[in-house]
Amino acid sequence: EPEVTQTPSHQVTQMGQEVILRCVPISNHLYFYWYRQILGQKVEFLVSFYNNEISEKSEIFDDQFSVERPDGSNFTLKIRSTKLEDSAMYFCASSAGEKFFGPGTRLTVL
Amino acid sequence: GENVEQHPSTLSVQEGDSAVIKCTYSDSASNYFPWYKQELGKRPQLIIDIRSNVGEKKDQRIAVTLNKTAKHFSLHITETQPEDSAVYFCAASRPGGSYIPTFGRGTSLIVHP
Repeated sequence: EPEVTQTPSHQVTQMGQEVILRCVPISNHLYFYWYRQILGQKVEFLVSFYNNEISEKSEIFDDQFSVERPDGSNFTLKIRSTKLEDSAMYFCASSAGEKFFGPGTRLTVL
Repeated sequence: GENVEQHPSTLSVQEGDSAVIKCTYSDSASNYFPWYKQELGKRPQLIIDIRSNVGEKKDQRIAVTLNKTAKHFSLHITETQPEDSAVYFCAASRPGGSYIPTFGRGTSLIVHP
């Protein structure tokens, strides 16, 4: 069964540094998403992406965040200047109806 | 926007008992209600879903019911097993190609052997 993959599985960074989280969605899916989950809390929507542009974003997705589909397979989330409160698990998901989540990247900002 | 409330936050049952998790939603336009199971440190996995044109759906030991008038939906797990222990999230989503579910806060289900 095809799966969404994410790299790295764990990213540790210093406050103020830029990070790029990478995702490879399922190949025939058209919708892509990023979610985050702060430890012990619910899954929160960040952004959706369709037809090479952002289709929706939440209030969490401020100017520090950006997404890109640099080629036909990768989907990235960039955080320009990380803050302590950005520490969370970040899940990528793709959908062609049913939504499939990747395994997540645990981001730790020190 | 949509607001999804989920109860209880923690549910502890004995193996073999039934477990029920309840959610309410606020947006009457929501028409898709998935349930996800998240084991510790793992990704959310879709376990069952229901659309607004259906009142109940069952898949082996799990079932989901939907009451559109009252705007609530529930997950029922019968004959619980220790491997059912996980956090369960309900979600509600509006119609449209890019469905974006709003998640509940999650219920930590503990099944004691």
